[in-house]
Amino acid sequence: SQTIHQWPATLVQPVGSPLSLECTVEGTSNPNLYWYRQAAGRGLQLLFYSVGIGQISSEVPQNLSASRPQDRQFILSSKKLLLSDSGFYLCAARGEYNSPLHFGNGTRLTVT
Amino acid sequence: GQQVMQIPQYQHVQEGEDFTTYCNSSTTLSNIQWYKQRPGGHPVFLIQLVKSGEVKKQKRLTFQFGEAKKNSSLHITATQTTDVGTYFCAGQGGSEKLVFGKGMKLTVNP
Repeated sequence: SQTIHQWPATLVQPVGSPLSLECTVEGTSNPNLYWYRQAAGRGLQLLFYSVGIGQISSEVPQNLSASRPQDRQFILSSKKLLLSDSGFYLCAARGEYNSPLHFGNGTRLTVT
Repeated sequence: GQQVMQIPQYQHVQEGEDFTTYCNSSTTLSNIQWYKQRPGGHPVFLIQLVKSGEVKKQKRLTFQFGEAKKNSSLHITATQTTDVGTYFCAGQGGSEKLVFGKGMKLTVNP
C-alpha cells in the first residue's frame, strides 16, 4: 500500500518569506501526484497535479509553484508568501487512473 | 471547468437519525469517489462508484451513482457519534484531475 510522507506538520511563516513543502511517496512507482489546499472549514482546492517527472499541471493561477524532480517526490514552493496562502496543504497520490487518492497528513501553514 | 457541488454543506442530526447528502457534477463523470475527513485529520477514501446506477453499501452507509453519472448520494442510517466529520465527494471526468466538492460537515447530537 502507498504511504505519503509530508513535512512539516505545522509551519508559521512571515509574509514575504519563501516556502518549500515536500512530499514523498512509498509503495508505488510512477504515481500521479496532487497538491490540494484546504482553507479553514472549506473544501479541497486542487492546486497542481503531475502524471510524471517534470510534468506539472497548474489548476489555479496563484503565488505558488510545484515541481517533481523525482518519480516519487513532489514539491510545493513559493518565492514570497501572502497572507492568503495560509491553509492546510495536502499532498495526495494514486497509482492508476480511476484509483483512489491516498493523502499525506498535511501541513498547516499560517502566514503572519 | 468541471465543478462538483455538495448539498447540504452542514448537517446536524440527533444520534440515531437517518440522513442523505447529495453531490452534483456539472459534467458527466467516469467515476465518483467519497472521502471522510475527521476533525484535524486528512481525507480518507471511503468508496468509488463507476457504473451508472451503481449502489454500494458499507455497514450503515449507502452510496449511489446516478443513471446519468452526474450525481451521487450518501445515505447514513442510524447516525452515530463516530460518523462525525466532513464527507467529500470527488468526481473524475476524462483527465487525471479529481475535483472535490466543498464537503458536508456532519455533527451529531448524542
